[in-house]
Amino acid sequence: DQQVKQNSPSLSVQEGRISILNCDYTNSMFDYFLWYKKYPAEGPTFLISISSIKDKNEDGRFTVFLNKSAKHLSLHIVPSQPGDSAVYFCAASAGEATNKLIFGTGTLLAVQP
Amino acid sequence: NAGVTQTPKFQVLKTGQSMTLQCAQDMNHEYMSWYRQDPGMGLRLIHYSVGAGITDQGEVPNGYNVSRSTTEDFPLRLLSAAPSQTSVYFCASSYWGQGTLSPEQYFGPGTRLTVT
Repeated sequence: DQQVKQNSPSLSVQEGRISILNCDYTNSMFDYFLWYKKYPAEGPTFLISISSIKDKNEDGRFTVFLNKSAKHLSLHIVPSQPGDSAVYFCAASAGEATNKLIFGTGTLLAVQP
Repeated sequence: NAGVTQTPKFQVLKTGQSMTLQCAQDMNHEYMSWYRQDPGMGLRLIHYSVGAGITDQGEVPNGYNVSRSTTEDFPLRLLSAAPSQTSVYFCASSYWGQGTLSPEQYFGPGTRLTVT
């Protein structure tokens, strides 16, 4: 049973426009959410995170929104750049003293010049 | 500061062979973990460790062994390789749990394993 779901396997966006990547979760015990970016033949790299006590976290061009009642989070990239083309994974953890991450299946973002 | 390193980058095994995937980190992180990535499955946790001498199972531990004799190293052993273990394996590390700002993990570049 997939506890973290990314229902869009791929997304194509024009350079300069907004990219919105979505993630849904089923486990109400999750209290920390992260986004990772992965280029081919490399390991995932941490992008941005959000605690369940917040509904928004912003870091430069990247903003993550959390809707706890809908068990939904989204990553907004504005403006999108060709270098943002990668696979984006949503991940979640439960409890203050655990580092165990549950990952979604990923969304391949292609930013067209 | 090399971060998280993994060796080898690529490996081909025959069914039934054994091997060890190496992982090392130089950030003095207490927490280390192994994930496998398969198409359409995302990353799944195999085993993890919260410090030297302490290991525990993740989501998909069967067929794999780990040990943690030092803070720096966390090898993953395949005792008898099976085609179902064909995957890309990632090692990761982070500061441990309570008192940390986030469970952000730092990943190595991965090992691509093929079992024939």
